[in-house]
Amino acid sequence: DIQVTQSPSTLSASVGDRVTITCRASQSIGSWLAWYQQKPGKAPTLLIYKASNLESGVPSRFSGSGSGTEFTLTISSLQPDDFATYYCQQYNSYSWTFGQGTKVEIK
Amino acid sequence: EVQLVESGGGVIQPGGSLRLSCAASGFPVSSNFMSWVRQAPGKGLEWVSIIYSGDRTYYADSVKGRVTISRDNSKNTLYLQVNSLRVEDTAVYYCASTRYCSGPDCPRPFDYWGQGTLVTVSS
Repeated sequence: DIQVTQSPSTLSASVGDRVTITCRASQSIGSWLAWYQQKPGKAPTLLIYKASNLESGVPSRFSGSGSGTEFTLTISSLQPDDFATYYCQQYNSYSWTFGQGTKVEIK
Repeated sequence: EVQLVESGGGVIQPGGSLRLSCAASGFPVSSNFMSWVRQAPGKGLEWVSIIYSGDRTYYADSVKGRVTISRDNSKNTLYLQVNSLRVEDTAVYYCASTRYCSGPDCPRPFDYWGQGTLVTVSS
């Protein structure tokens, strides 16, 4: 199975900061990577699909990049609503694995 | 409007079985990839199983042999049968679905999610 490693596990930042989260796959997955946001007690919501495509309705401060085995999610200017946990997910193989998650906390 | 509503969770003893249901509305479950994802208390998301629109099914290694995913197109409902339950199966179980798509951006990841149903395995 393809493993997905996400880092960091926790990130402390302030409103207005630029934030970057990294996801690494154990083998090439092309561009078949998604990013989700999850807030406490809620289901995840899709932010980015196919590595760099912004889901409809998602603010443009979110962006994704990468291909192969290395991917990043960037929030260009952190807003109060962005404090949440973020997950990457590969969907290249028959095993749709998630990364371990990155909790973005208020500094 | 698309909606996914899970049911069937509860408290169950180790070694027991249960069947989770996910009633879909707004789209036919037969046309999309349908999946179960779980989240243990305070932990991250764990993909459990998926059924493709062509009825191929796949499972995470952690549940393989104990879990069966299925759907009833006439009821527009997805199911997850879980047997030989273990304490470590305790989690919120989410039903998730891709959007129908065709072309180079397919498959899609999970566009739609239910609210989750809590399964607690405890004696």
